[in-house]
Amino acid sequence: DAKTTQPPSMDCAEGRAANLPCNHSTISGNEYVYWYRQIHSQGPQYIIHGLKNNETNEMASLIITEDRKSSTLILPHATLRDTAVYYCIVRVGDDKIIFGKGTRLHILP
Amino acid sequence: NAGVTQTPKFQVLKTGQSMTLQCAQDMNHEYMSWYRQDPGMGLRLIHYSVGAGITDQGEVPNGYNVSRSTTEDFPLRLLSAAPSQTSVYFCASSPGTSGSLYTQYFGPGTRLTVL
Repeated sequence: DAKTTQPPSMDCAEGRAANLPCNHSTISGNEYVYWYRQIHSQGPQYIIHGLKNNETNEMASLIITEDRKSSTLILPHATLRDTAVYYCIVRVGDDKIIFGKGTRLHILP
Repeated sequence: NAGVTQTPKFQVLKTGQSMTLQCAQDMNHEYMSWYRQDPGMGLRLIHYSVGAGITDQGEVPNGYNVSRSTTEDFPLRLLSAAPSQTSVYFCASSPGTSGSLYTQYFGPGTRLTVL
């Protein structure tokens, strides 16, 4: 089973920040949190990852709580093209990366 | 770089037939994996490989075989197709299996229908 919990769906108004939460309460000390998204029926696309510190790249920001039991992916100015399923993932076992069901994000015009 | 390529893009099989889904990457990545995605569902890991000659099972390995004779190629074999294997199959690769190296690149998928 996936080691993360995400809400099944969320709505966000176009132009506003989309904040997608993820719980990973059993994460180990050296495990990274990864975020991917899947637009319609395309292959998933890597967004960002982090270990302890907050991270930012050209696509998004990742905020990880101090106890590392949860994180939030932030899309600062959501557009209609950000409509997708967003997956929060931590590694399971030595070499497996397991996807859960993700959050379906709807951007509302 | 072409990235991760998958062939064919679409395939229709009859129950009991066998076939091989092809996956190749030109990024010299050590880690490769196969996922399946059923309609309205998330991705489920079938098999993965941490390097040439090494493969292991994922969440749903039954009915599938893999081999990794080269770094570039990771074919997925359906031994005797069943309607339950109707799905979209994604192949992925990453430079390694720790930290930043675990960033996976996905192929465009193969849409398989088993009648």
